[in-house]
This record gives sequence, structure tokens and C-alpha cells, in this order.
Amino acid sequence: NAGVMQNPRHLVRRRGQEARLRCSPMKGHSHVYWYRQLPEEGLKFMVYLQKENIIDESGMPKERFSAEFPKEGPSILRIQQVVRGDSAAYFCASSPRALNTEAFFGQGTRLTVV
Amino acid sequence: AQTVTQSQPEMSVQEAETVTLSCTYDTSESDYYLFWYKQPPSRQMILVIRQEAYKQQNATENRFSVNFQKAAKSFSLKISDSQLGDAAMYFCAYAGNNDMRFGAGTRLTVKP
Repeated sequence: NAGVMQNPRHLVRRRGQEARLRCSPMKGHSHVYWYRQLPEEGLKFMVYLQKENIIDESGMPKERFSAEFPKEGPSILRIQQVVRGDSAAYFCASSPRALNTEAFFGQGTRLTVV
Repeated sequence: AQTVTQSQPEMSVQEAETVTLSCTYDTSESDYYLFWYKQPPSRQMILVIRQEAYKQQNATENRFSVNFQKAAKSFSLKISDSQLGDAAMYFCAYAGNNDMRFGAGTRLTVKP
């Protein structure tokens, strides 16, 4: 049973380009969380998704950012027209059920905007 | 939304000694989980210990134990017999209904 897989591990984008970050949850997990971590800071909640549904996106910027978790395939965090301030590590976590349970983390995607 | 507060940005401990990391949280829920995660330089998030809110007994995992005070909404982590490999960022986390939030982290340094 593979763990949470995130790809790519490192992503470099020029300002104005689009960044797509992928997260494949653990087998049997239907709940996915995305977090952003700026250098020397903690994890900031962005969005919580269940298969085909966004449950809570209160931590996600209103513009340029979107997330999906389709019925088939990985969860995608999409950042349009990236700016330097988007440079961060983006972590995905998955859990087998919604409530009160441990989330398993991927190794993160480090996004650098140049 | 629930908040998690770690008031110690940095802590230091001598090898083989004991250190306690603090965490407080705010919630109106009665059923939830609390966790401590470790993030070494590799940036991988590693679960250290978990506590179910309905359990009064404090969780223990080898050298790691917690002091869970539900009424005070406090959840501290005690590391006994500290080892050099314990050096990392430590994050306290709260998981409730539709919500999993992290504190800002405490950077632990272990001195040989």
C-alpha cells in the first residue's frame, strides 16, 4: 500500500505561468487536504476535498487558486498566473474518513516562481 | 474555525534530557483528535503521537508522551531521553469535524 504520492517534488515556474500540483491519496482514502508551508513557517490549511466535492476551501485564496478531486485520478491543486509569493512547499494529506482521524502526508511539492 | 497555538517558536534540550513542547487549542467541539507531527529537514511530516479527546489517559509512544488537559484545552508533548535525531520542527494538530488545523510549529534543537 503506497503512501500519499505527490508530484512533482520540485516545480519551477515563471511569473504568469500555471502550476499544477498532483496528489494521489493512499488506497482507500477518499478525503484529501492541501496545505501550504512558507519557509520557516507552519502548515496553513488551504482546502479539504472529498471525492468530487469541495468540503471546505476557507483557506484558499479567492483568485488564481483552485482544487479538484475527481472521481477517477489524483487531486489537483491549480495555481494560475503564479507570482513570486506563491513560492512555497505544498503538502497534501489523505485520510480514510472525514472525522477525527489521522491524516497521512505526502512528501510535498516545492514550488519556486522565478 | 478552530485554532491551534504553539507559543514556543524555538526550544533547546541537552542530549539525554527531557523537554516539553506546549500546545493549546480552541474549539467548541467535544469529539476530536489531537496530534503531534515531526518535520525533519527532509520535510516529510511524521506522526509522533495521537490523542483521542474522549480518552482521559494520556497517550504514550516510547520516549514521547503527552499531557492532555481537556478542560484547559492544552496538549503538551514531553520528549524523554532526547536524542540527536529528535531535532526537527514539531507541529501540534487538531482534527475535528471537517477540520484539521496545525500550530505554527516549534523548532527543537538537541545539543550533544
